[in-house]
Amino acid sequence: SAVISQKPSRDICQRGTSLTIQCQVDSQVTMMFWYRQQPGQSLTLIATANQGSEATYESGFVIDKFPISRPNLTFSTLTVSNMSPEDSSIYLCSVSGGNQETQYFGPGTRLLVL
Amino acid sequence: SQQGEEDPQALSIQEGENATMNCSYKTSINNLQWYRQNSGRGLVHLILIRSNEREKHSGRLRVTLDTSKKSSSLLITASRAADTASYFCATAPIISNDYKLSFGAGTTVTVRA
Repeated sequence: SAVISQKPSRDICQRGTSLTIQCQVDSQVTMMFWYRQQPGQSLTLIATANQGSEATYESGFVIDKFPISRPNLTFSTLTVSNMSPEDSSIYLCSVSGGNQETQYFGPGTRLLVL
Repeated sequence: SQQGEEDPQALSIQEGENATMNCSYKTSINNLQWYRQNSGRGLVHLILIRSNEREKHSGRLRVTLDTSKKSSSLLITASRAADTASYFCATAPIISNDYKLSFGAGTTVTVRA
């Protein structure tokens, strides 16, 4: 199993600003995923980030709003740009396990936008 | 996009009782997985059942899968206070080279001491 850390664990931000969330994995992984979990809701996939290629975004999510970097096999960042209160959510990164079937999740970043 | 629907949305039981939650999905799957989330933290993988399996056990967990009804159930036996969490089913499509999962809405389980 992979051990995943995220920074920051939580933040309170003003509308119109941007926040970059970091995801660090203790081993090299090919596929990383970024999810959003709105209050009391399930997980919604934002994008898949593979090292060496552009992130693939799901319907309803665009690169200008959620730019993603994947500079190497153990690290990724997600930026939430020009934030509004509707962006208040938990943001989670995950990686595929060795068999690529299961996923291991970071502890999440709890974001509140005022 | 979310594929799974779970019921009930919330469940409150006494310690020692069993908890059962159900998941239904819409399209053909390769496998179905269950995850647990404690207090808005990261998800923890519990168990995976493949489309050609009907039942699987792991400790106090029992998962069933009925592909004809496109449904699965998770049973937690002899519940403990530490089982208080949200439980999500997640499905992997039958044909996929991107390993994406679709998560259900989740069931919030509260185990009373």
